[in-house]
Amino acid sequence: AQKVTQAQTEISVVEKEDVTLDCVYETRDTTYYLFWYKQPPSGELVFLIRRNSFDEQNEISGRYSWNFQKSTSSFNFTITASQVVDSAVYFCALWDSNYQLIWGAGTKLIIKP
Amino acid sequence: EAGVTQFPSHSVIEKGQTVTLRCDPISGHDNLYWYRRVMGKEIKFLLHFVKESKQDESGMPNNRFLAERTGGTYSTLKVQPAELEDSGVYFCASSQMDTEAFFGQGTRLTVV
Repeated sequence: AQKVTQAQTEISVVEKEDVTLDCVYETRDTTYYLFWYKQPPSGELVFLIRRNSFDEQNEISGRYSWNFQKSTSSFNFTITASQVVDSAVYFCALWDSNYQLIWGAGTKLIIKP
Repeated sequence: EAGVTQFPSHSVIEKGQTVTLRCDPISGHDNLYWYRRVMGKEIKFLLHFVKESKQDESGMPNNRFLAERTGGTYSTLKVQPAELEDSGVYFCASSQMDTEAFFGQGTRLTVV
């Protein structure tokens, strides 16, 4: 079955701390895509990254980095030196062969000043 | 370039009434998707259009939901009659083939 698990319901850290959001997925497809989206308090879904199943290179974008490991079916997201503006709900999602996005339940990240 | 836009941003209706949500995808995107997040639950797929055709509507919860995509441009999602459990945020997304989906800001539907 296709499934995305974000075991952390809510994380709270103090500004400037590093924080990692976990994402574990299940799929029977050999070709798939993984995504991270951010949902700030304003409600819209903001695209952060897409990774295809054949590209296991880790990616860094500013304070954001992603660790994709097929061996453990994980696609974790790390924010370095967190800021209050990073507070949001973060969703991990799997794009399967049926062109559907399978979503994790989301992790609410609270960054305290 | 305009992104995906959804109307209205928020709708409050009484149980039994009808509501129509609209989504305008990014110009040139053949794929259009509807998702919804019911309070406290995961975001769930509803259906997928390729141009004006329904590619997959396996996520539509029941026959009170009707989606259309006129001429392969904008799409509407009608709920008739609305029930309390339909409350949630309805997201629309569009994409070109094999690219990431761009989402609208969502429509928050409250059925009272």
